[in-house]
Amino acid sequence: EDKVVQSPLSLVVHEGDTVTLNCSYEVTNFRSLLWYKQEKKAPTFLFMLTSSGIEKKSGRLSSILDKKELFSILNITATQTGDSAIYLCAVENSWGKFQFGAGTQVVVTP
Amino acid sequence: EAQVTQNPRYLITVTGKKLTVTCSQNMNHEYMSWYRQDPGLGLRQIYYSMNVEVTDKGDVPEGYKVSRKEKRNFPLILESPSPNQTSLYFCASRTSGSLNEQFFGPGTRLTVL
Repeated sequence: EDKVVQSPLSLVVHEGDTVTLNCSYEVTNFRSLLWYKQEKKAPTFLFMLTSSGIEKKSGRLSSILDKKELFSILNITATQTGDSAIYLCAVENSWGKFQFGAGTQVVVTP
Repeated sequence: EAQVTQNPRYLITVTGKKLTVTCSQNMNHEYMSWYRQDPGLGLRQIYYSMNVEVTDKGDVPEGYKVSRKEKRNFPLILESPSPNQTSLYFCASRTSGSLNEQFFGPGTRLTVL
């Protein structure tokens, strides 16, 4: 059975800190891994990863995939209060089926 | 504006009363999908459709039906809703055949009493 596990479930940091979010997965016929940010509405896309070892970067956010060890990390540097959200990891298989993790709730305090 | 729309956005209903949540996209996407989101469980895929007349079960299809008669629409049907279907529902779409992210609709909050 396909599975996506995110850790930690939640964390609280101070503005300016760096956070690292983890996503491990087991999926048959892996196609891609995606990260989303969810505030009080629909998830918004952050990154899609398909190849191991290639870092994707967007401003203070970055992510990398390890297809051998079956995990991905999402880093947020110099956190701001606007980074407070639930971060979702999802894996898609070759047939279009998506499996989401439970999410990591990040709270950034001033 | 490119978007995925869902209707209604909020719905309170009673057990057993059939309902349909509509989803429509204007991006000519082949792929569409329905998810439910419950606290602590992330998003769980209900059904997805790779193209017109092609639908597949996700992880939690029980109690739901879908149809894909046209490319732009993918309605979610609850024939006999029960309280355990109280949830936040999202529709999403993307192009097929290439690696593109999904675009999500705004969500439908359903309460079944």
